[in-house]
Amino acid sequence: GAGVSQTPSNKVTEKGKYVELRCDPISGHTALYWYRQSLGQGPEFLIYFQGTGAADDSGLPNDRFFAVRPEGSVSTLKIQRTERGDSAVYLCASSRQGTGELFFGEGSRLTVL
Amino acid sequence: GESVGLHLPTLSVQEGDNSIINCAYSNSASDYFIWYKQESGKGPQFIIDIRSNMDKRQGQRVTVLLNKTVKHLSLQIAATQPGDSAVYFCAENPPGGTSYGKLTFGQGTILTVHP
Repeated sequence: GAGVSQTPSNKVTEKGKYVELRCDPISGHTALYWYRQSLGQGPEFLIYFQGTGAADDSGLPNDRFFAVRPEGSVSTLKIQRTERGDSAVYLCASSRQGTGELFFGEGSRLTVL
Repeated sequence: GESVGLHLPTLSVQEGDNSIINCAYSNSASDYFIWYKQESGKGPQFIIDIRSNMDKRQGQRVTVLLNKTVKHLSLQIAATQPGDSAVYFCAENPPGGTSYGKLTFGQGTILTVHP
């Protein structure tokens, strides 16, 4: 497909479990972003990749959150020891370098019971 | 901390009317602003952007106005259509950031267009 693809679209897990969320960006986009959106709120920045490296991870809430992009394309957001407060929609976006025009995926809705 | 916010959480208009969605920002050093549209169950979609060296920018049926004196941003939609119904977010690129895509989003305004 031509857009940003995120899987799974929905994930229900229990408190304390480990979760991985995957993002497949638009081909050729070197910049990749993860945002988190809680109900009724705007998206909140988590982390930004330029190529394979995390250029800015200042939005990650704590060390339970980690993200990788080993080959400069697909990225995985990893959440350890999930808590109920982690429940949200996790959005991935990609862009061409040097622009604020982000192309968002439809998000992965995480529910922690 | 500084943030981007919206004056009105909801806006209801008739089809064919013009819509105006407002946004206040507090960081006077911000130099880049974007409007996004989000439909239910989907990710945000870029509408239009503006840099601080401009006060107006037009797109297809949309116009963004920037008033740096009062730190105010607005999105005007001409001839609003039912397909325009969505949540609209303004977003700010904080100064000194690592990327134009590192954005601070406002809370959002729900636009409802009645046929």
